[in-house]
Amino acid sequence: NAGVTQTPKFQVLKTGQSMTLQCAQDMNHEYMSWYRQDPGMGLRLIHYSVGAGITDQGEVPNGYNVSRSTTEDFPLRLLSAAPSQTSVYFCASSPRGRTGRQETQYFGPGTRLLVL
Amino acid sequence: AQSVAQPEDQVNVAEGNPLTVKCTYSVSGNPYLFWYVQYPNRGLQFLLKYITGDNLVKGSYGFEAEFNKSQTSFHLKKPSALVSDSALYFCAVRDGGNRDDKIIFGKGTRLHILP
Repeated sequence: NAGVTQTPKFQVLKTGQSMTLQCAQDMNHEYMSWYRQDPGMGLRLIHYSVGAGITDQGEVPNGYNVSRSTTEDFPLRLLSAAPSQTSVYFCASSPRGRTGRQETQYFGPGTRLLVL
Repeated sequence: AQSVAQPEDQVNVAEGNPLTVKCTYSVSGNPYLFWYVQYPNRGLQFLLKYITGDNLVKGSYGFEAEFNKSQTSFHLKKPSALVSDSALYFCAVRDGGNRDDKIIFGKGTRLHILP
């Protein structure tokens, strides 16, 4: 299993450009999430999904869109990039645990995004 | 809404000494608690979790954590620190009292193990 994969590893954008960060998992996990990591801020939840066709907002959803058309893929879209979106982005997936909800998360290697 | 606090930005410990990384939480229902570790330029790796049961949870690499409901804490511990334990540690929580499935992370604590 490849686990959770993210592409690209690094991206430079100009203000106003759009792009999609890709995330895929091959573990048949129901849950997937996007986080951003900023110095001094820890990890903040952007959007998450509890299954194909279902998404919900996290702590910092503004400026980002997501969709979940398949179990495997959970792309994150920046429609009009801003310097404040400069960050490291992590995707995570989780199986349904014995609580019936998500528990242990498996993280991808991250995408480093620089918006000029 | 659930929240989690890691009161120390950095913890320094001499190699061989016991270490503690602190975490406190706030939830409306039962807490589901997690610790993750991040090595430089890597993603996060799962260490351990508390769902129900024994308050002392054992995890990877010799780490353990103690769930204390009265103090709303879930401190990470290790009896004897190694230089290779130096990394960034994150505590996370899911609120069992919420209908949503959000897992929220703390700001992280950087652990330095001094040789």
